[in-house]
Amino acid sequence: NAGVMQNPRHLVRRRGQEARLRCSPMKGHSHVYWYRQLPEEGLKFMVYLQKENIIDESGMPKERFSAEFPKEGPSILRIQQVVRGDSAAYFCASSPGQHGGYTFGSGTRLTVV
Amino acid sequence: AQSVSQHNHHVILSEAASLELGCNYSYGGTVNLFWYVQYPGQHLQLLLKYFSGDPLVKGIKGFEAEFIKSKFSFNLRKPSVQWSDTAEYFCAVHFGAGSYQLTFGKGTKLSVIP
Repeated sequence: NAGVMQNPRHLVRRRGQEARLRCSPMKGHSHVYWYRQLPEEGLKFMVYLQKENIIDESGMPKERFSAEFPKEGPSILRIQQVVRGDSAAYFCASSPGQHGGYTFGSGTRLTVV
Repeated sequence: AQSVSQHNHHVILSEAASLELGCNYSYGGTVNLFWYVQYPGQHLQLLLKYFSGDPLVKGIKGFEAEFIKSKFSFNLRKPSVQWSDTAEYFCAVHFGAGSYQLTFGKGTKLSVIP
């Protein structure tokens, strides 16, 4: 039973490029959450999605960031026109329902140069 | 504002020493409490969780935590650490019984010296 799969593990982008981070939830999990971990900080909630719906995006920066979880395929976190401050580890988690503990993926480490 | 505090940024212990990592939160209502561990370069793994019932919770790898409601604390303990416990430890909280959003502390790095 595969866990939460995130790819790529490491992503390097130049300032101004786009970053696309992918997350495939665990089998049977229809709830996906994205968190960001900045250096020396704990994880911060970004967005909560169910299939084809954004439930809560209160933690997402208002500009350049978007997320989707289509009916088919992985959840995508998209960052347009990346800046150095976007460099961080981005973790995805999934759960079978809205409550209870979730399972995290290994994260994508984004470096903006 | 709701927040989670982990007081120790970096803890260094010798093997076989006892461990206690502090976690406090600020919120007067119902909480669900978690401890996660992150080994270098790996994903977060759930060590243990508390939802209700016995405030002393046992987790994996010999870890336990005690919820003290009056102190708003959920400290993580292990009687005898091993070199393989070297990792970063995060306390996390669901504020409110119906909450899905986890609020994390900043983490505590544990280094165990052989």
